[in-house]
Order: sequence, then structure tokens, then C-alpha cells
Amino acid sequence: GAVVSQHPSRVICKSGTSVKIECRSLDFQATTMFWYRQFPKQSLMLMATSNEGSKATYEQGVEKDKFLINHASLTLSTLTVTSAHPEDSSFYICSAISGSGSLEQYFGPGTRLTVT
Amino acid sequence: AQSVTQLDSHVSVSEGTPVLLRCNYSSSYSPSLFWYVQHPNKGLQLLLKYTSAATLVKGINGFEAEFKKSETSFHLTKPSAHMSDAAEYFCVVSGYSSNTGKLIFGQGTTLQVKP
Repeated sequence: GAVVSQHPSRVICKSGTSVKIECRSLDFQATTMFWYRQFPKQSLMLMATSNEGSKATYEQGVEKDKFLINHASLTLSTLTVTSAHPEDSSFYICSAISGSGSLEQYFGPGTRLTVT
Repeated sequence: AQSVTQLDSHVSVSEGTPVLLRCNYSSSYSPSLFWYVQHPNKGLQLLLKYTSAATLVKGINGFEAEFKKSETSFHLTKPSAHMSDAAEYFCVVSGYSSNTGKLIFGQGTTLQVKP
């Protein structure tokens, strides 16, 4: 099946710094990628939809200047948490849809961000 | 608008007994429905999906779900629970329109399997 990877799997950063999370589709081209946030013992919340070569579409309440998304190629999307604060600590998960016409999403393993 | 409600936040069963995880959905059009499983600190794995074909959907690891339009339900079942089934389960509906790919997640159900 299709594989999506995320890097890093976990990261600890100091408050005020920025951190970049990568999401890669390893064996298919992803025309669309999604970024989710998951708080402990809660469901996934969609943050934004990322289409290759265009600006990301953010969900209501998600600050686009804080969560910068870049989808520069058909296999890579990045999420940069700028000026991170402890409340940004969360589990970030990406998913990807292939360009084959299927709308099935393939999920990455997630990135655990801890801001101290 | 589309929404999905998982009726139980926590389900506990004994190993070898049946599993039932309940899900109700709301959709203004014919929905696509999914069940995903998430093990601790892991990503999501697709168990099964319904996309307007057969109403009884068989998935991986012995799980199946039945789409009942009259009841707006898509409950997940398994005849015999295994210890490795202990995880978080999410019922998911495709959102907004049928071709955006957006997913709406339920609140999740924690399945505990006792020896």
C-alpha cells in the first residue's frame, strides 16, 4: 500500500523557536496533503489542506502565519510551527491523497511536538 | 453539513468476545464512511471503507461494518476480540462535498480488551 512518512517522529523545542515537520509520500505522487492536530486522548482536527503548487487552505480558527505550510513538490509538504509556545505542543499528523483519482487518504505516523 | 458521532467513548470487552463500536453519521448527500484504528503514538490505519457499493463492508483483521441508511449508522463489529485490537478507533465521514477529500472525524472510541 501507499506509504507516507513524517520527520521527525518527535521533537522538543524551546518556546519562541520555530520547528519544521516534513511529510513525504514515498511511493506515490500526492496532489493533496492534509495536516491534522491531535491533542491527548482527543480526535484529529483538520488544520489545513495543502495542494501542490498553490497556497494552503486553512480551517477556521487556524492561524496561517503561525502554521506555515509549503507543498513544493508532489511528494513533500512541510508544516512549520513558528514562534512555538507550550500550547502548540501536540501530535501532528499528515495525510496524502494520490493523484490517481482515489480520494483515500494515507496517513503518516505522526510527529510529537513538545514545546518547553 | 456532515458530522459523525461515536456513541461510546470507551468500550471494554473480554478477549474472545464480540466487539461493537457504534457510529452515527449525518450527511446531506450520499456519504463515504471509514473506520480507522490508531495504536498509541502511532498514525492511523484504515480498517475499512464504504463508498456506496455493498452495504456490508469487510475490512482487515476480521472487522466489518454495515451501512444502514435508514438508521444513519455505520457500526463496526468483530466476532471475537483479540488483545492486539486494543486501540483507539475513529469513525470518519467524507466532508463538505464528495470530491474534496476532506474527512470529518468522530470523537474516537477507546477499545479495551481484557484477558
